[in-house]
Amino acid sequence: GQNIDQPTEMTATEGAIVQINCTYQTSGFNGLFWYQQHAGEAPTFLSYNVLDGLEEKGRFSSFLSRSKGYSYLLLKELQMKDSASYLCAPIGGYNKLIFGAGTRLAVHP
Amino acid sequence: KAGVTQTPRYLIKTRGQQVTLSCSPISGHRSVSWYQQTPGQGLQFLFEYFSETQRNKGNFPGRFSGRQFSNSRSEMNVSTLELGDSALYLCASSSQGGDSYEQYFGPGTRLTVT
Repeated sequence: GQNIDQPTEMTATEGAIVQINCTYQTSGFNGLFWYQQHAGEAPTFLSYNVLDGLEEKGRFSSFLSRSKGYSYLLLKELQMKDSASYLCAPIGGYNKLIFGAGTRLAVHP
Repeated sequence: KAGVTQTPRYLIKTRGQQVTLSCSPISGHRSVSWYQQTPGQGLQFLFEYFSETQRNKGNFPGRFSGRQFSNSRSEMNVSTLELGDSALYLCASSSQGGDSYEQYFGPGTRLTVT
């Protein structure tokens, strides 16, 4: 199966840290991407994990545990422009991304 | 370097018609994937092409088809349009053929079926 679970909505305060969790059934997936999508725009790449552990990229970090089917995206020093949907996407082979429904993050002053 | 381009950006069609959408990948990219995005189903994978070969396919009916040309440009075709085909169709290109590379998305084609 390919059930991918993310919280539907989250809110946070400017300057704070937020963690967005993603769980998925482990069979057939070789890694996981995180994408950001602002309303009315195309998704943009945030991070990629192919091995277990933490990948850090500026204000964004992503963690993956393949055996547990678990990932999280950590956003630090939140800015108003970070208000967007965050999409977790395990890779199902040959560039086939299986997207979760996404988490809508609202950042408040 | 120019990004992924998609044409047309907006399209209105009538039930029963067919439509062809075009995607030009980033120069040098050989993999093109297509996705459908709707409010109810989210982003769903349609198919992926690499060097003119379809390597992967999602769970869509045969009315959805695609192809890739020798210059890596790709088209997708939807025949016998249904109201439920109204969606944003996104294509993404990648520089490599394996699983391990970032996909860059185009702006999408918004298709409305009436």
